[in-house]
Amino acid sequence: GAVVSQHPSWVICKSGTSVKIECRSLDFQATTMFWYRQFPKQSLMLMATSNEGSKATYEQGVEKDKFLINHASLTLSTLTVTSAHPEDSSFYICSAIEGVTLGQFFGPGTRLTVL
Amino acid sequence: KQEVTQIPAALSVPEGENLVLNCSFTDSAIYNLQWFRQDPGKGLTSLLLIQSSQREQTSGRLNASLDKSSGRSTLYIAASQPGDSATYLCAVVWVNAGNMLTFGGGTRLMVKP
Repeated sequence: GAVVSQHPSWVICKSGTSVKIECRSLDFQATTMFWYRQFPKQSLMLMATSNEGSKATYEQGVEKDKFLINHASLTLSTLTVTSAHPEDSSFYICSAIEGVTLGQFFGPGTRLTVL
Repeated sequence: KQEVTQIPAALSVPEGENLVLNCSFTDSAIYNLQWFRQDPGKGLTSLLLIQSSQREQTSGRLNASLDKSSGRSTLYIAASQPGDSATYLCAVVWVNAGNMLTFGGGTRLMVKP
């Protein structure tokens, strides 16, 4: 099946710093990628939809100036958490579509801890 | 409102049992339905994808069925093993929602040896 990678797998940072998370589709081109966050024992919450070459579409309640998304190529999307605070600590997961009929394939997730 | 519901939220069974996980959705106008597995602290692994025109999909010990008219899908796991312990998530792409997945709350499965 299609493979999606994320880097880093975990990160610990101080409050006020910015953190960049990369999402890559390794063996296919993804015109659309999605960013989710997940709190412990909860399901995934969609943050934004990222389309290659255009601005991301953010879900209601997600601050676009805080969570910067860039989808500059068909195999790479990045999520930057700017001026991170402890409440941003979460598990961030990306997914990519290899054509709608093949469903979505998810990355392994990035655990962010903000001290 | 388009919603996906999974029941039960948690399930514990002895090894070797056949089991069924349930997923229901409020709008039958779906594009596809996908079942995922998530291990603690990990990402999602796609198990089965059912297109709206299909009734079921099978992969090894897993079988997923789809009944659009009743808004239901089931994931059948045969001869469960301790390694099947994980959270199972059902997700739907609705026809009017682009490619966006709507997830159910998941079922946490524990298979005891």
